[in-house]
Amino acid sequence: EPEVTQTPSHQVTQMGQEVILRCVPISNHLYFYWYRQILGQKVEFLVSFYNNEISEKSEIFDDQFSVERPDGSNFTLKIRSTKLEDSAMYFCASSEDFAGTQYFGPGTRLLVL
Amino acid sequence: EDQVTQSPEALRLQEGESSSLNCSYTVSGLRGLFWYRQDPGKGPEFLFTLYSAGEEKEKERLKATLTKKESFLHITAPKPEDSATYLCAVPGGGGNKLTFGTGTQLKVEL
Repeated sequence: EPEVTQTPSHQVTQMGQEVILRCVPISNHLYFYWYRQILGQKVEFLVSFYNNEISEKSEIFDDQFSVERPDGSNFTLKIRSTKLEDSAMYFCASSEDFAGTQYFGPGTRLLVL
Repeated sequence: EDQVTQSPEALRLQEGESSSLNCSYTVSGLRGLFWYRQDPGKGPEFLFTLYSAGEEKEKERLKATLTKKESFLHITAPKPEDSATYLCAVPGGGGNKLTFGTGTQLKVEL
């Protein structure tokens, strides 16, 4: 069964460093998303991406965040200068169509020290 | 603003003791309601999508139902392996971003 994969599973970084989180969405899906979940809190939307551009972003997704689809299979989230409050689980998701079911990856646990 | 409220926050059941989880939502123009299961440290695992009031879907011991204001996830004769956090979510704002509830943490004991 096709699934969304994410790497790395864990990432520890120092405050102010750049991190890139990677995702491989399900192969025939066209819509891609990033969400995050701070420990003990709800899953929050960050950004959606379609046709090589951002279609929607939340207030959380400020100038330190960027997304890219560098090739036909990968989808990345870059945090330019990490802050302590960026520590969270980051989930990638994909869907086949606009209102379709979003399938989530296993997540990357990011810890900023 | 779209809102999703889940209750109870936590639920402890004995194996075989059936119960229901609630998800209340406020969204302009419902375009689906999604149920997910989340195990600790893992990503949300898709369970069901419901699109219209009156719709029901079943999978093993789980049945999801939808009204105009809320959805229920019924768990019949649960087993310890059903222990997880159950999340509901709705797409909102005219787009497809999901707004999640805080979830119901279910623990099923022998």
